[in-house]
Amino acid sequence: QKEVEQDPGPLSVPEGAIVSLNCTYSNSAFQYFMWYRQYSRKGPELLMYTYSSGNKEDGRFTAQVDKSSKYISLFIRDSQPSDSATYLCAMGAGGYNKLIFGAGTRLAVHP
Amino acid sequence: GAVVSQHPSRVICKSGTSVKIECRSLDFQATTMFWYRQFPKKSLMLMATSNEGSKATYEQGVEKDKFLINHASLTLSTLTVTSAHPEDSSFYICSAPPDREVIGYTFGSGTRLTVV
Repeated sequence: QKEVEQDPGPLSVPEGAIVSLNCTYSNSAFQYFMWYRQYSRKGPELLMYTYSSGNKEDGRFTAQVDKSSKYISLFIRDSQPSDSATYLCAMGAGGYNKLIFGAGTRLAVHP
Repeated sequence: GAVVSQHPSRVICKSGTSVKIECRSLDFQATTMFWYRQFPKKSLMLMATSNEGSKATYEQGVEKDKFLINHASLTLSTLTVTSAHPEDSSFYICSAPPDREVIGYTFGSGTRLTVV
């Protein structure tokens, strides 16, 4: 079993839709959770960073962490074609050591 | 915000030659740098961790003699792919962990290496 599981998609949605992206993990030592967006042939850029269970909102993005279920989600409201990218979940244990990444979900938002 | 500047963004080299990739942290000190490799439509695979002033730590299966990592200063880490072969063609990305003023891990823009 992989430490972090993420459906690679692809996921195709119409503009304006609500997108739900998810990851599950098996290591209960993970303490912080991140979502990155990666455009083709570019480095990942940080979207959301959370340290505890619950919700965190930033504009059209909401990150949700459920440590009891070892499940994290990223919601994108009012999706735009510019949101088309690969979304990677990442998580780590204490001490800012190496991150463990999910496989990445490819999202396509069509007009 | 924190920026990690990675160069070159793209390089094509002949088999047998060596290629150096640089990552510089701008406006913050990176005592640690993570080096990743990414295949098309795949996730990031951690290759090694460089630490300023000490030897790099390589992940299992990564050849340390082939992928030389040097962390020369608090703002510069380099990855040298030695005696490159076509199977080394890939996208290489560096990443610095958070420090006191930086939230999250900061990634470089990546280097696309093509070995012909």
